[in-house]
Formats: sequence, C-alpha cells, structure tokens
Amino acid sequence: TQLLEQSPQFLSIQEGENLTVYCNSSSVFSSLQWYRQEPGEGPVLLVTVVTGGEVKKLKRLTFQFGDARKDSSLHITAAQPGDTGLYLCAGLRSSGTYKYIFGTGTRLKVLA
Amino acid sequence: SQTIHQWPATLVQPVGSPLSLECTVEGTSNPNLYWYRQAAGRGLQLLFYSVGIGQISSEVPQNLSASRPQDRQFILSSKKLLLSDSGFYLCAWSVARDYGYTFGSGTRLTVV
Repeated sequence: TQLLEQSPQFLSIQEGENLTVYCNSSSVFSSLQWYRQEPGEGPVLLVTVVTGGEVKKLKRLTFQFGDARKDSSLHITAAQPGDTGLYLCAGLRSSGTYKYIFGTGTRLKVLA
Repeated sequence: SQTIHQWPATLVQPVGSPLSLECTVEGTSNPNLYWYRQAAGRGLQLLFYSVGIGQISSEVPQNLSASRPQDRQFILSSKKLLLSDSGFYLCAWSVARDYGYTFGSGTRLTVV
C-alpha cells in the first residue's frame, strides 16, 4: 500500500509556465519533506515542513503543508529548464520512528 | 562539513554472485543510516535502517542484508543475487528525525 500519492506522475511544460505538484495521503505526518532528484544522482533535500498550514518559499518554489498534515503541495512559478527533475515528497509518520515514507514521484520536464 | 560516500557508482553482476555495497559518512557522529532502492526513476523503497553500531532494522524481507560494523559505515550485502535485485541503490544519513536525509550518489546495479 502506497501511503503517499503524488500527482501528476509526469508533467511537461514550457519555460515560463507555472505548475503545482501534489502529495496526498490519508495518514497524518509529523513532518514532510520535498526532494529533487536528477538522473543518476541521489535526491537532494529542498525543504522540510512540520506545522499544519505552514508555507515555505525557496526562490520560485512555494511549499505548503496541509492544515491536517495529511498532504502537501509544491508550486513552481515561471518554471525554467533547470527545474527539470524528479520531485519526491517524503513523510515521517509518528514520533519514535526514523523512517521517512517516500511518495511515488513526479517527473517534471521544462522545455526551453 | 558532512559528506557521504557510496561506491561503486555502477555494477554489473551475474545472477548468483555475491554483492557488497559500501557507504561511509564523514563529519558527523552516530548518524542514522539508511539503504533505499529505487526502481525506474520512481519513489524510494526503504530496505534497511540503523540507529547505531550493530543495530539493523529490516523493512522488506528479501535477498539482501545490511551491517553496520562502525559508527559511520553501512554495508549492503547479498550472498546470491537475483535478477530482481537490479535497481538504483541509495545510502542516506540523517542526524535527527526532522532534519531530512542526505543521500549518497547511488549505485546502479544490474544483475545479468
């Protein structure tokens, strides 16, 4: 059973467009992270959100944690080819565990 | 600064041969260490994690095993590889529950 579902699975857009990626679950998470991964490399941490309703911005990227801490979104404004990659969300379910559960991934391609 | 080293980068092994992948972390003490496997550019599946020397937790029963002989060394092994063991293996470390992972650069394993 996949606890974290990401949508869309694939996204191909033109440079300059805006996009939103979603990470959804029926479970509550104590914290949630977003990573970006390029081919042949390990994922790189972008952000961690821990409070329901929390919004964090990283340049053109805006991350939001749902009020109930069951979902999250990543919004990219004016996408650039350098944003191309696999975006992964990962949630930490409860206290006492050290295991993050990863989402299914969203593969983004930004065309110049 | 903390760094994580994972090797080899690529590996082609025949079915039935043994496997040993090594991961070491520098610049930190008593990290939480993880082995993940990623199939075809999608989400990550947790294989093993360790919160201390000699402490290994297995997430998925399979043909693989892990060991932590030293504080900053994590090894993934198999006595006899199967075709289904092919994939992209990632080592990661974290210092605390909500601090996220730092991933190694990964090992692409192809079992032939």
